[in-house]
Amino acid sequence: AQSVTQLGSHVSVSEGALVLLRCNYSSSVPPYLFWYVQYPNQGLQLLLKYTSAATLVKGINGFEAEFKKSETSFHLTKPSAHMSDAAEYFCAVSEGAGNQFYFGTGTSLTVIP
Amino acid sequence: SQTIHQWPATLVQPVGSPLSLECTVEGTSNPNLYWYRQAAGRGLQLLFYSVGIGQISSEVPQNLSASRPQDRQFILSSKKLLLSDSGFYLCAWSVKGWSGGYTFGSGTRLTVV
Repeated sequence: AQSVTQLGSHVSVSEGALVLLRCNYSSSVPPYLFWYVQYPNQGLQLLLKYTSAATLVKGINGFEAEFKKSETSFHLTKPSAHMSDAAEYFCAVSEGAGNQFYFGTGTSLTVIP
Repeated sequence: SQTIHQWPATLVQPVGSPLSLECTVEGTSNPNLYWYRQAAGRGLQLLFYSVGIGQISSEVPQNLSASRPQDRQFILSSKKLLLSDSGFYLCAWSVKGWSGGYTFGSGTRLTVV
């Protein structure tokens, strides 16, 4: 069975500070992992994805995530937070191409000026 | 290019009234289709998914139903809305056997009063 755990439902950072959003997964097979961002009253937008290629994945808006098999983690980072990064972030896991996704409960990121 | 359309964007309905939300995908064929709900302060809940015309899988027993009358059309319905049906409804699609992830519509904000 697959599952995703996002530690911290709310994260606040100062503008210009490091952003770290945590995601741990469980999967019985090598997973596909995704991060999505959701701005208020909008749909989800794909930030980045890991599909068994390079373990460090770069996405849009300066975000990146590193797949660590030994830690079953796929944390999302950005070196310097911008006010426009304030949004809800969802981690998701899939056990294969085209298979169903399992989403985490989301982390709301607040950026303090 | 592929696009996904979801409407209406917002909807206010009285308790006991019917519901019909529509989602259509353009630029692809035979997609997997999904309906998710986001209740206030909660994560994404998968409601229904479909791998083909007339093929609907329900993840959570509830007051809602889904139909797929055409290849690229997915409809979420209810005969009688409950207060607890309020939330943000998201439609998504994916390519079968592809690792690229889901593409989401812009969502429908449903308020049942």
